[in-house]
Amino acid sequence: DSGVTQTPKHLITATGQRVTLRCSPRSGDLSVYWYQQSLDQGLQFLIQYYNGEERAKGNILERFSAQQFPDLHSELNLSSLELGDSALYFCASSERGQNTGELFFGEGSRLTVL
Amino acid sequence: GQQVMQIPQYQHVQEGEDFTTYCNSSTTLSNIQWYKQRPGGHPVFLIQLVKSGEVKKQKRLTFQFGEAKKNSSLHITATQTTDVGTYFCAGLRIYNQGGKLIFGQGTELSVKP
Repeated sequence: DSGVTQTPKHLITATGQRVTLRCSPRSGDLSVYWYQQSLDQGLQFLIQYYNGEERAKGNILERFSAQQFPDLHSELNLSSLELGDSALYFCASSERGQNTGELFFGEGSRLTVL
Repeated sequence: GQQVMQIPQYQHVQEGEDFTTYCNSSTTLSNIQWYKQRPGGHPVFLIQLVKSGEVKKQKRLTFQFGEAKKNSSLHITATQTTDVGTYFCAGLRIYNQGGKLIFGQGTELSVKP
């Protein structure tokens, strides 16, 4: 158990819909990262937050947004969903802000768009 | 943009054979991390390399960071069935006030008993 909690574990929805994925980092970790893992794909970096502020941005689509709340949990919002958005979405946390330490990954949220 | 390339994509070995995966970056990295993802699981941190030319060992696993800090490798000696999974390298490039940890595509290792 990494200490990172992600909900929901599985989500099935239809194209055009909007979903919210939630992540609670390890106790004491200030940084939260979101990654997308599609079939036969590696881990695509989406976005990082540190202590409530956006710190780094990857190839995150405009239809996607995220935020980190004062209690340090984070949410990833995916809107106008397309079939290609079906993937495993991982949240990870670390102590520091500049990725200088290991990342602790949650179990992931598997999104299926039909 | 920054890319981290990892080869091979798949490797099938007989138990007892050695295994190596290679990671190359288009830019100099601040550090490189290695993760292992078991089938159906999530990535788990293995090690971090920071210094140019650094070599670290964990039992049968040997990790290297290139002199130019642009490439890295993971070598497993005498593979076991417990080594099955996908091995990812992740390169860190720090810029401004942030940094991006970019993962390679991963090498999926299967071990035949």
